[in-house]
Amino acid sequence: KAGVTQTPRYLIKTRGQQVTLSCSPISGHRSVSWYQQTPGQGLQFLFEYFSETQRNKGNFPGRFSGRQFSNSRSEMNVSTLELGDSALYLCASSWEGFADSPLHFGNGTRLTVT
Amino acid sequence: QQQVKQSPQSLIVQKGGIPIINCAYENTAFDYFPWYQQFPGKGPALLIAIRPDVSEKKEGRFTISFNKSAKQFSLHIMDSQPGDSATYFCAASRGSTLGRLYFGRGTQLTVWP
Repeated sequence: KAGVTQTPRYLIKTRGQQVTLSCSPISGHRSVSWYQQTPGQGLQFLFEYFSETQRNKGNFPGRFSGRQFSNSRSEMNVSTLELGDSALYLCASSWEGFADSPLHFGNGTRLTVT
Repeated sequence: QQQVKQSPQSLIVQKGGIPIINCAYENTAFDYFPWYQQFPGKGPALLIAIRPDVSEKKEGRFTISFNKSAKQFSLHIMDSQPGDSATYFCAASRGSTLGRLYFGRGTQLTVWP
């Protein structure tokens, strides 16, 4: 079974631009979560989607948004990029997102903002 | 604030040693405590997880010890190997919102041959 796939692996953007990252969950998984990983703040939760609905949201500004499609694939968008948005963005999927349904992470998209 | 506190930040042991990583939490609503292992260039991978109704869980060379009254849990790696060199993260969540994990800051483990 294929794992969580994130594209692209690397991105370089300029301050002020916007970016869209993509995530394909494990087949059959309906919950997709997004995390930001930085050396300074560690792993921080962005948001979670289940059946195309945002179920949880972390403490990030409104510039960070996401969506989930009917096939469970998900995208996250960051508008008006800032230097501090440089990070590894990780997507994780699970069957239901609760109970004994562990999160499986992709290898991330490395975003660099210059 | 940091909901899960992890220590130490880094750890160096000899092959065959038993590294121990500790985590503490405050929110008593947490009822699911996983540990993740991350290698450079890869996403975190689930190692082992525990719920508060048990005090210990073993999977292969990895053991979680859980102390509910102290709100602490720890990971022990038996007979550590150089291939175990990685960053380890503890985490916690409420079972009803498993998609939202609160992670510790991570422990960089180095196992010397």
